[in-house]
Amino acid sequence: QQQVKQSPQSLIVQKGGISIINCAYENTAFDYFPWYQQFPGKGPALLIAIRPDVSEKKEGRFTISFNKSAKQFSLHIMDSQPGDSATYFCAASGSSNTGKLIFGQGTTLQVKP
Amino acid sequence: DTGVSQNPRHKITKRGQNVTFRCDPISEHNRLYWYRQTLGQGPEFLTYFQNEAQLEKSRLLSDRFSAERPKGSFSTLEIQRTEQGDSAMYLCASSLGGLAGKQFFGPGTRLTVL
Repeated sequence: QQQVKQSPQSLIVQKGGISIINCAYENTAFDYFPWYQQFPGKGPALLIAIRPDVSEKKEGRFTISFNKSAKQFSLHIMDSQPGDSATYFCAASGSSNTGKLIFGQGTTLQVKP
Repeated sequence: DTGVSQNPRHKITKRGQNVTFRCDPISEHNRLYWYRQTLGQGPEFLTYFQNEAQLEKSRLLSDRFSAERPKGSFSTLEIQRTEQGDSAMYLCASSLGGLAGKQFFGPGTRLTVL
């Protein structure tokens, strides 16, 4: 019940295209859903996050769509750029616990010029 | 805001040796987390501190692992009698506040056990 499942494992997109990464969770106590971006040899960097009281959050080219009834959320990267090539992780946590993050398995995104 | 720092960035050790890593969180953050990340996987939670109190430990944290956060500032993670399976990136993160919120990660310490 603590799992967060992420797909696809890898993704190749042309420059200017839309990248979409999906995550599903099981624990209904989760109430915070961040996305992290990680470059090789670096720590994860917080990209954008959402709480379940809204269905969508947009920050620049990055949008999270959240479906509470389906227990799914997704990251959309609009106008994808080669600099977006990285590994993306979804995560979830609950305010009723310590705030520890449960991460998905990651998606390696390659944006071709 | 200088961010979360970790030292050393890389550590190579022989099996059976003890190693210690240090994490300096963002100064006003009262919550500190340790995670472990193996190649091709997402980070996995190890342990959590609120101020100086260690409030949760994952079952991944065997008795060879110990973590401290004296005075609620920096934290150390020690691994005794290292095994090859301990080879991983050890990540530290910090956050502020009582609710699940933004966690900021350090660059990690890459451990290689030969």
